[in-house]
Amino acid sequence: QVQLQESGPGLVKPSETLSLTCTVSGGSINYYFWTWIRQPPGKGLEWIGYIYYSGSTNYNPSLKSRVTISVDTSKNQFSLSLNSVTAADTAVYYCARVSQRYSNTSPLDYWGQGTLVTVSS
Amino acid sequence: EIVLTQSPGTLSLSPGERATLSCRASQSISSSYLAWYQQKPGQAPRLLIYGASSRATGIPDRFSGSGSGTDFTLTISRLEPEDFAVYYCQQYGSSLTFGGGTKVEIK
Repeated sequence: QVQLQESGPGLVKPSETLSLTCTVSGGSINYYFWTWIRQPPGKGLEWIGYIYYSGSTNYNPSLKSRVTISVDTSKNQFSLSLNSVTAADTAVYYCARVSQRYSNTSPLDYWGQGTLVTVSS
Repeated sequence: EIVLTQSPGTLSLSPGERATLSCRASQSISSSYLAWYQQKPGQAPRLLIYGASSRATGIPDRFSGSGSGTDFTLTISRLEPEDFAVYYCQQYGSSLTFGGGTKVEIK
């Protein structure tokens, strides 16, 4: 059974960089696309971006200038970096797997439990 | 970017009733790359339906999806107590976008 676990600081100061890591267990990170999704408190879901195991990426245009997603296949992990954060970036951040190998046109089948990141001084 | 609009925002129903949720896209979604997710408080979303009408593994058959092009529907034939939650549609044919969600609450 594939499991995903987000980790990283729960509190980030305004203008600084939010950094999270998603560790994949119970399966290989290879041959799949992996994605980050966020959800502000009481609001809906927002796609941040995804990365293929090879390192190719695609980002939400509304966040593209501030986002970097990277992958470390040796550790079965992928990471999110979001710079110049403001209070509007306060959200639960989820990592998830795009379900079909080799394809980014498939739904998200495995999700992490989510981690709340608060942006505040 | 494909914008997804879900309606209604909130649906107040009783257990045993039928729920019909709508998702409308700003442009046609290729190959019916449309999914539905259920989210309960404090939990991650769970995949229910993909390809507009295929149930994900382990999803009860009271959940069904239909539609194509720009108009899609999620139907829950008879609501069970555990079905009261928020439901999101998502398109995955052109990057990813989510609808704003429909909350199904107990009447």
